[in-house]
Amino acid sequence: AQSVSQHNHHVILSEAASLELGCNYSYGGTVNLFWYVQYPGQHLQLLLKYFSGDPLVKGIKGFEAEFIKSKFSFNLRKPSVQWSDTAEYFCAVSDYFSGGYNKLIFGAGTRLAVHP
Amino acid sequence: GAGVSQSPSNKVTEKGKDVELRCDPISGHTALYWYRQRLGQGLEFLIYFQGNSAPDKSGLPSDRFSAERTGESVSTLTIQRTQQEDSAVYLCASSFLAGELRETQYFGPGTRLLVL
Repeated sequence: AQSVSQHNHHVILSEAASLELGCNYSYGGTVNLFWYVQYPGQHLQLLLKYFSGDPLVKGIKGFEAEFIKSKFSFNLRKPSVQWSDTAEYFCAVSDYFSGGYNKLIFGAGTRLAVHP
Repeated sequence: GAGVSQSPSNKVTEKGKDVELRCDPISGHTALYWYRQRLGQGLEFLIYFQGNSAPDKSGLPSDRFSAERTGESVSTLTIQRTQQEDSAVYLCASSFLAGELRETQYFGPGTRLLVL
């Protein structure tokens, strides 16, 4: 069965530092990849998604992610973080073997704290 | 328009009691999903509704868990004879199309359940 690993559970950065959060999934083949973010006290919301085409995906708020098929990875990046990026970030995957519909398999999440 | 709403936002119950959690999806959304998030873990899929039917109940952890959806709108997740391990945040999500792998899921705020 598909699984998702997020290697960093807690990340602490200073403002203006660069960010890279790792995400690896277990099953190859055709996958759809997502990053969701949950700001303190808010709902989970979609940051970006990849289905096909250009493996470098741009999302909201200056985030981007790169799909590397050979590494089963979909790492999230931001060149310069802000205090407002403090949140929990979840990587998720859906694939055609999850039931033929958009059943999301989530990683455990990464808590990012950005200090001013 | 309005987003996904869930009620109650918090529920404290005694072990052995039954609880009902409610989800109001975005109007017109055909697909509805329930997920559970235990402390320190990622979201785990519970059940998927396509319209009023539930083609995938594979994530329901035991027969104490059941869910229904009426009129392609409101869904209720019921947990009978609650146990302490049921304590978690229960999240509902909806998407416009059912059976479509690329659809974005919109999440509600969740119900935080604590079983004493």
